[in-house]
Amino acid sequence: AQTVTQSQPEMSVQEAETVTLSCTYDTSENNYYLFWYKQPPSRQMILVIRQEAYKQQNATENRFSVNFQKAAKSFSLKISDSQLGDTAMYFCAFMKLKSTGNQFYFGTGTSLTVIP
Amino acid sequence: DAGITQSPRHKVTETGTPVTLRCHQTENHRYMYWYRQDPGHGLRLIHYSYGVKDTDKGEVSDGYSVSRSKTEDFLLTLESATSSQTSVYFCAITPGLNQPQHFGDGTRLSIL
Repeated sequence: AQTVTQSQPEMSVQEAETVTLSCTYDTSENNYYLFWYKQPPSRQMILVIRQEAYKQQNATENRFSVNFQKAAKSFSLKISDSQLGDTAMYFCAFMKLKSTGNQFYFGTGTSLTVIP
Repeated sequence: DAGITQSPRHKVTETGTPVTLRCHQTENHRYMYWYRQDPGHGLRLIHYSYGVKDTDKGEVSDGYSVSRSKTEDFLLTLESATSSQTSVYFCAITPGLNQPQHFGDGTRLSIL
């Protein structure tokens, strides 16, 4: 079974600063995908960034980037130039490929507060 | 916008009553999922579907059943609701293999 661990239940960061959220996972699969989702107080689940395990290059989306360490099974999210709108719960997710429908496994989340 | 609508958005009911939550999609996607979200647990998969009448269990399927009689609708039923099923329920779709999930806006279910 796959497990996803987010060891930081809560974090805070000053506006305009940089923060890194950690995520580790456990799997015996060689090919898989990893995602970070953001859930603001509105409760919507919003995709932030994705990473294919077979790609060594770290994914980047504007102010969001990841540090993907496949051997260490680590997938951290870096948010640069933090903004008040980044305040949200962040979930790390692992996707196992399966012919009858991919299986997704989520971490327990990190609540991020951006302080003005 | 992935065209996912969950209904109802909020529901309060009593222990022992049956409850059905509906997920409707407009994009004709094959894969649909039901999750529950609880503090300290993140999202946990209840059931999923990989086609009309094709469903399978997730990690927390006890006490829940699902049906998918047409592509656009995926129903989650609590046959006899218990207080432990008080939660926020999310429906999700996957546009295809190797694609991320897109979520509905969630249903807050309270069982008294």
